[in-house]
Amino acid sequence: DQQVKQNSPSLSVQEGRISILNCDYTNSMFDYFLWYKKYPAEGPTFLISISSIKDKNEDGRFTVFLNKSAKHLSLHIVPSQPGDSAVYFCAASAGAGSYQLTFGKGTKLSVIP
Amino acid sequence: GAGVSQSPSNKVTEKGKDVELRCDPISGHTALYWYRQRLGQGLEFLIYFQGNSAPDKSGLPSDRFSAERTGESVSTLTIQRTQQEDSAVYLCASSLSKVSPSGTFFGQGTRLTVV
Repeated sequence: DQQVKQNSPSLSVQEGRISILNCDYTNSMFDYFLWYKKYPAEGPTFLISISSIKDKNEDGRFTVFLNKSAKHLSLHIVPSQPGDSAVYFCAASAGAGSYQLTFGKGTKLSVIP
Repeated sequence: GAGVSQSPSNKVTEKGKDVELRCDPISGHTALYWYRQRLGQGLEFLIYFQGNSAPDKSGLPSDRFSAERTGESVSTLTIQRTQQEDSAVYLCASSLSKVSPSGTFFGQGTRLTVV
């Protein structure tokens, strides 16, 4: 039973446009969410996070939106750059102090120059 | 070192053999995690070490899997009598403390192929 779902395995976006990556979760105990970025042959790197007490968190070109009632979050990248091409993983935990993360399957983003 | 280091990068083994995977965490990081990623899947939590406390082994899929860590140093993940379903990328991560999922740094992983 997948508790964190990323239903789009891949996404292609033109350089300069907005990239929107989606993530749904089923476990209502989750209250802390993270996005990781992964390049080939490298480990995932932390990108941005959001606590359930917020509905938006912004860091430069990256914004994460959280809709608790829909159990849905999204990552917006504006403007998209070719260097953003990577696999993006959504992850969730039951509390910011929890060490056990539950990951989605990832979405491969390709930004076309 | 500057980051989390894992060895080997790639390992091909015959079904039934034992394998040992190694992780060197970032110096000073007390927390260490092992995850695995099977093809087309997300990362699955395997085990967590925090300092000298008893590890959380709740994610280990079977008793063929075991892991050790001495203090705050190197960790080894051992898989005995490997099966084809063990084929995956095994990722190690470390952080300064357990209260830091955003401050968790991953290694590049060991790609294990069981033939």
